[in-house]
Amino acid sequence: DIVMTQSPDSLSVSLGERATINCKSSQSVFYSSNNKNYLAWYQHKPGQPPRLLIYWASNRESGVPDRFSGSGSGTDFTLTISSLQAEDVAVYYCQQYYNALYTFGQGTKLEIK
Amino acid sequence: QVLLVQSGAEVKKPGASVKISCKASGYFFTNYAMHWVRQAPGQRFEWMGWISDGGKGNTKYSEKFQGRITITRDTSASTVYMSLSSLRSEDTAEYYCARLGLSGYYWDFWGQGTLVTVSS
Repeated sequence: DIVMTQSPDSLSVSLGERATINCKSSQSVFYSSNNKNYLAWYQHKPGQPPRLLIYWASNRESGVPDRFSGSGSGTDFTLTISSLQAEDVAVYYCQQYYNALYTFGQGTKLEIK
Repeated sequence: QVLLVQSGAEVKKPGASVKISCKASGYFFTNYAMHWVRQAPGQRFEWMGWISDGGKGNTKYSEKFQGRITITRDTSASTVYMSLSSLRSEDTAEYYCARLGLSGYYWDFWGQGTLVTVSS
């Protein structure tokens, strides 16, 4: 299985500041045949279903604020929140869909400093 | 709007079975595959299996759950079901249905989750 490792496990950021979450896969999730990275980011708030933020590593899902962005390729990926808002407090997960076994990172808990 | 509404929390004894439902609305049900994912306390999300879109509703299960899991659907009710048998304490988790987007790779909508507690 592809192991996804996020860093840090938790993060405290002041309102309006940048938050950066990293995700590393144990093997590449990039398919050269279609030039796509098979990686998504999800936001999960208590009592709510997980919400898709980013797919193909850098494509923002419809309705997701543009302060959220994804980057990276191969084995190293980043989710960036450019200006943290109070409603962004959540746990964030990366997930690979390179193979049909769909594995997740352990999650990064984002809090307000 | 797309909604996936799951059945309520369950408490089961070890060795029992559980069947969770996921009722879809806001889209054409058979156009999308549905997956099941769970998250045990303090653990990562774990993919369990899926049922395909289209007329046949083919299934594929994670090797970890093979033999214990069954995913079915009732197209007339726009509902997908996930059954898990021979429950043990390690199966205590929040269970989610998740719709596979039209790209066929990532999940674009999730249910609200169903907590299953396995305890003697």
